[in-house]
Amino acid sequence: AQTVTQSQPEMSVQEAETVTLSCTYDTSENNYYLFWYKQPPSRQMILVIRQEAYKQQNATENRFSVNFQKAAKSFSLKISDSQLGDTAMYFCAFMSRNTGTASKLTFGTGTRLQVTL
Amino acid sequence: KAGVTQTPRYLIKTRGQQVTLSCSPISGHRSVSWYQQTPGQGLQFLFEYFSETQRNKGNFPGRFSGRQFSNSRSEMNVSTLELGDSALYLCASSLAGQPDSPLHFGNGTRLTVT
Repeated sequence: AQTVTQSQPEMSVQEAETVTLSCTYDTSENNYYLFWYKQPPSRQMILVIRQEAYKQQNATENRFSVNFQKAAKSFSLKISDSQLGDTAMYFCAFMSRNTGTASKLTFGTGTRLQVTL
Repeated sequence: KAGVTQTPRYLIKTRGQQVTLSCSPISGHRSVSWYQQTPGQGLQFLFEYFSETQRNKGNFPGRFSGRQFSNSRSEMNVSTLELGDSALYLCASSLAGQPDSPLHFGNGTRLTVT
């Protein structure tokens, strides 16, 4: 079974600054996806960024980028130029590429990010 | 394109009752999965349906069941409700239910059991 750990329950960052959210995971599989999801007060889970484990290059999406360290099983999210709209819960998640477990995400406990003026 | 629609948004039930939640996926999506979110247990996978068949199931008791219709809409049923079933229930759809297909989530149904 996979586990995902987010050790930072809450974080705060000033607008326009950069913040990094941590995530570690444990799995015996070699082929998988990792995700960061954002959940604002509207409750909808929104995909922020996705990383395929077999790709060494770190994924980037505009102001969001990841630092994927496969050997260390670490997957951190960096948010640059933070905006007030980035205030939300952020969840790290794991999905196996085994089609037998398709759509089964294993989530971490989340990090509540507050962006302040 | 309309997103994933979950109804109702809020629901209050009494212990022992049963409840049915509904999820309409994005048009063309054939996979629907359900998650339970609670403060204590976090986000947990309930089950996934693809082409009207349950393809995967999480570690929940048999009181939790679901189904999918030919138009891909899905319902989730919880029988003999317990206080611990109070949670946000999230539905997600994807095109093919494969790891390469991103999941799109709805806004959830907030269930309160009294």
